[in-house]
Amino acid sequence: AQRVTQPEKLLSVFKGAPVELKCNYSYSGSPELFWYVQYSRQRLQLLLRHISRESIKGFTADLNKGETSFHLKKPFAQEEDSAMYYCALIQGGTDKLIFGTGTRLQVFP
Amino acid sequence: EAGVVQSPRYKIIEKKQPVAFWCNPISGHNTLYWYLQNLGQGPELLIRYENEEAVDDSQLPKDRFSAERLKGVDSTLKIQPAELGDSAVYLCASSQGLAGGGQFFGPGTRLTVL
Repeated sequence: AQRVTQPEKLLSVFKGAPVELKCNYSYSGSPELFWYVQYSRQRLQLLLRHISRESIKGFTADLNKGETSFHLKKPFAQEEDSAMYYCALIQGGTDKLIFGTGTRLQVFP
Repeated sequence: EAGVVQSPRYKIIEKKQPVAFWCNPISGHNTLYWYLQNLGQGPELLIRYENEEAVDDSQLPKDRFSAERLKGVDSTLKIQPAELGDSAVYLCASSQGLAGGGQFFGPGTRLTVL
C-alpha cells in the first residue's frame, strides 16, 4: 500500500541553521512527490513538486528512489519558514494525494 | 482570484445533528476533492469529483456522509447524523485534474461535535 512517513512531528532550529525535513514513502511504481506547507492561519499550499526540480523560497527536495526518500532541505532557515510541512505522494494514474502526518518547523530568532 | 472558497469556516453542533459544508472551486477546475483532516494528521481523501461525477468515493463513510456536485461546479458535503468522532477539519480542493498544476486547497471548515 502507498504510504508517506514523516518521522518528526516537530523540528526546532535557530535562524540561519540548516533544515532537513524527512519524508519517506512506500510505493510500487514511479511516484510523483510533493511538499505542501501551511503557515499559521493560512490554507494548505503547494511548496514544490519533484518533477519541476525547482527551488521555492530556498527549499529543495531530491527524490532518492534507492532510499525511497524525498527530504526537504534549506541551507539557512528563516523565521518566516515556521509552518507545518506535509509530504505527499500522487497515486499512480490518478491525482489522488496521499499525505504524511506533517512536521511542524519552528525557527527561533 | 479568490481561490477555493469554503463555508462556514467554523461549525459547532451537538451530536446527532445534521451539518453541511459548501465549497466553490477555482473557476475552470473540473476536479474537486473533499478531504478530512483529523488533529495531528495529514488530510485524507473522502471523495473526488470529475465534473459532476464522483469518481472516487471509496473512503466516504456512506452510512452518514453524502456529497453532491450537481452542476459540476459547487459542491456540498453533508453529515447526518454527526458523531463526536466527526470533529475535524474538512478541506475542499480543486484542480485541473491530470492536466497538472496541482491541487489548490480552501481554508477548510473546522467542525466541533459536542
